[in-house]
Amino acid sequence: GESVGLHLPTLSVQEGDNSIINCAYSNSASDYFIWYKQESGKGPQFIIDIRSNMDKRQGQRVTVLLNKTVKHLSLQIAATQPGDSAVYFCAESPGNTGKLIFGQGTTLQVKP
Amino acid sequence: SQTIHQWPATLVQPVGSPLSLECTVEGTSNPNLYWYRQAAGRGLQLLFYSVGIGQISSEVPQNLSASRPQDRQFILSSKKLLLSDSGFYLCAWDRSVSGNTIYFGEGSWLTVV
Repeated sequence: GESVGLHLPTLSVQEGDNSIINCAYSNSASDYFIWYKQESGKGPQFIIDIRSNMDKRQGQRVTVLLNKTVKHLSLQIAATQPGDSAVYFCAESPGNTGKLIFGQGTTLQVKP
Repeated sequence: SQTIHQWPATLVQPVGSPLSLECTVEGTSNPNLYWYRQAAGRGLQLLFYSVGIGQISSEVPQNLSASRPQDRQFILSSKKLLLSDSGFYLCAWDRSVSGNTIYFGEGSWLTVV
């Protein structure tokens, strides 16, 4: 659900390592999921999406995994780079509303 | 291709003054339009969304209002700003079907002093 009033958790990784960012979604009717990346002072940017009829989707250096049984979504970033440092948000779309519901957000810090 | 513009990028306003943030979308027609607010170090809070001209839905009670005078124009306003209105405001759009990606503008930083 929405994260008003909550501080964002932080994940710190070494440059070159793989990163895994997790998200628990709330609505079992959600059929579409998106990961966004937000750099400091900028609007969120689309990274990758997945529909509920899939459990895995790969992009360039990123993989999204969907586990509908436990309502869990994860974003894996391979060979994390300093430019990956940002806040990452997951979002779910309950099919009956057409609106996106954003998760809490996770701050990814990449150490050189 | 579609683009979204919002302005001004930064704004410093005194308490009690009015506010007008504008957002326009190009390259698409009949989009859904959204205003989000993001306080420093916080997540995204949906303020308003619109499915068409003159159609505004408010998600949370607040000191702000929104209007959609044209198909691809969305305006966020306030008659009298409060200190608590400070934040990062994001306009966004998506296509008028469910299960679509929302695309965000670059945001407007508002500081109420």
